[in-house]
Amino acid sequence: DAEITQSPRHKITETGRQVTLACHQTWNHNNMFWYRQDLGHGLRLIHYSYGVQDTNKGEVSDGYSVSRSNTEDLPLTLESAASSQTSVYFCASSESRSGNTIYFGEGSWLTVV
Amino acid sequence: QQQVKQSPQSLIVQKGGISIINCAYENTAFDYFPWYQQFPGKGPALLIAIRPDVSEKKEGRFTISFNKSAKQFSLHIMDSQPGDSATYFCAASPGAGSYQLTFGKGTKLSVIP
Repeated sequence: DAEITQSPRHKITETGRQVTLACHQTWNHNNMFWYRQDLGHGLRLIHYSYGVQDTNKGEVSDGYSVSRSNTEDLPLTLESAASSQTSVYFCASSESRSGNTIYFGEGSWLTVV
Repeated sequence: QQQVKQSPQSLIVQKGGISIINCAYENTAFDYFPWYQQFPGKGPALLIAIRPDVSEKKEGRFTISFNKSAKQFSLHIMDSQPGDSATYFCAASPGAGSYQLTFGKGTKLSVIP
């Protein structure tokens, strides 16, 4: 079955370190997204991509970067981790049709100490 | 600026009762309104969705009511069950080649026996 997987599922890192969260989908979806989820804020969009070599900033992109070198993967990099980036991160994907279902991964729990 | 406002933050309903969650939006370009259900430790999953050309959509015990003039939509869960206990998110997407979702802050529903 096609799916979307995130790794690592849990990570503890130190302030200032670079961290990369991986996201891989096997649906061959053009669209991929990264959201963060925090209590009281719901899900907020960090970055998104509508295809290979395409990346766009979302609502809370400061301190994060993404790259899209193939259809299947959209890794999220925290250049210099900060305690404010402690959160649950969700990767998602969808086809390029308006109103199409966005499918979410299981999440990556990141703690910055 | 929060583009999708969701209420209440939390909701406790007796088994067999009706759960109602409301959302309001500001951006008139939104043309797709899904509801996502999230269980603890899992990613959000699409529950039901509606387009603005209909005022109501029903799938089993779940109904979306949509009021375009008021820019409001709501989720009704009939005959609520303990298994419905989860966090529910409303969301909106602008369409017209833009596929990312803007989420409400979520409602934690607890259905008690």
